Amino acid sequence: GAVVSQHPSWVICKSGTSVKIECRSLDFQATTMFWYRQFPKQSLMLMATSNEGSKATYEQGVEKDKFLINHASLTLSTLTVTSAHPEDSSFYICSAWGGRGPGYEQYFGPGTRLTVT
Amino acid sequence: SQKIEQNSEALNIQEGKTATLTCNYTNYSPAYLQWYRQDPGRGPVFLLLIRENEKEKRKERLKVTFDTTLKQSLFHITASQPADSATYLCALEGRNYQLIWGAGTKLIIKP
Repeated sequence: GAVVSQHPSWVICKSGTSVKIECRSLDFQATTMFWYRQFPKQSLMLMATSNEGSKATYEQGVEKDKFLINHASLTLSTLTVTSAHPEDSSFYICSAWGGRGPGYEQYFGPGTRLTVT
Repeated sequence: SQKIEQNSEALNIQEGKTATLTCNYTNYSPAYLQWYRQDPGRGPVFLLLIRENEKEKRKERLKVTFDTTLKQSLFHITASQPADSATYLCALEGRNYQLIWGAGTKLIIKP
């Protein structure tokens, strides 16, 4: 199957600083990437849908000015958590989709554990 | 609103037996249903996709059924092994190819 990488795998930052998380599709072009957040023992919560070359579409309740998403190429999307606070501590996961139409699986990155102190 | 339910309680199965996980959904008529496996601290890994016109799909020891009348999918692992222990997530394809997720069922295979 296709490979999606995320970097970093974990990060600890101080409250008020910004953190950038990268999501790369290594062996295919991803027209769409999805960003999720997952709290312990809970399901994945979609934060935003990122299409290459256009602005991301954010889900209701997700602050677009706080979670900046840039999908600059068909293989790279970044999520920047700005002015992070302890409540932003979570497991952030990206997935990539090849855009072949409905009925195709998403390929997930290994996730990034963010801890804000 | 669309809702997906998976058994939130962990499922304990003896090694070698068949594990059966359930995914129920309401207020939706998906064309596709997917199952993923997630290990602790890792992203989900795709297992199987079944289409609304398919009753059953198999892959090695895995079998998925899809009953659009009952609005239910069953996920079976035959000859279960301790390595099958993980959380299993079902997901329905929504608008704009987004996936709508269940909360997952934790499966524990005891040796």
